[in-house]
Amino acid sequence: EDQVTQSPEALRLQEGESSSLNCSYTVSGLRGLFWYRQDPGKGPEFLFTLYSAGEEKEKERLKATLTKKESFLHITAPKPEDSATYLCAVQPNDYKLSFGAGTTVTVRA
Amino acid sequence: NAGVTQTPKFQVLKTGQSMTLQCAQDMNHNSMYWYRQDPGMGLRLIYYSASEGTTDKGEVPNGYNVSRLNKREFSLRLESAAPSQTSVYFCASIEKNTGELFFGEGSRLTVL
Repeated sequence: EDQVTQSPEALRLQEGESSSLNCSYTVSGLRGLFWYRQDPGKGPEFLFTLYSAGEEKEKERLKATLTKKESFLHITAPKPEDSATYLCAVQPNDYKLSFGAGTTVTVRA
Repeated sequence: NAGVTQTPKFQVLKTGQSMTLQCAQDMNHNSMYWYRQDPGMGLRLIYYSASEGTTDKGEVPNGYNVSRLNKREFSLRLESAAPSQTSVYFCASIEKNTGELFFGEGSRLTVL
């Protein structure tokens, strides 16, 4: 069975304090790994798709990386508007996507 | 550009009542999904439809049925609601080329 585990569950940061979120996974085959951002009361919003080990993608203060067993979401010099829950999802060799429980990030000014 | 539209946004049911959550997308996507989200458990897949005319069970299908009415619409039905089905339900469709999931705004269901 596909499993996605995210850590930590919650992360409190000071504005400007860089950190990383972890997503470890076990799947029968990996079509893609996805990162989403979710604000309270809203649906998840797409951030990145990673397809193969060694791949990296960046968007503003966020950078996602992928290895064969895990992915990291690095937040560089975060701002309060980066506060959200970040979700990781994996897509095995069919159309099913499995999500982790998420990491809730709070950035204090 | 509406994207993914879910109705209703809020619903309160009594145990044993039935209801249908409606979902429609206007992006011509082939695959559509229904998830439920509970505190501390992330998004759990209930059912998905890889293409028009096909549906498959996800992680937590018990107590639910789905219908892929056409390419645009994918509905989720609770035949006999139970308090354990109190949750926020999200419908989504996927852009095949990028793998990006587009989500609706969610439907908040409370079963008393």
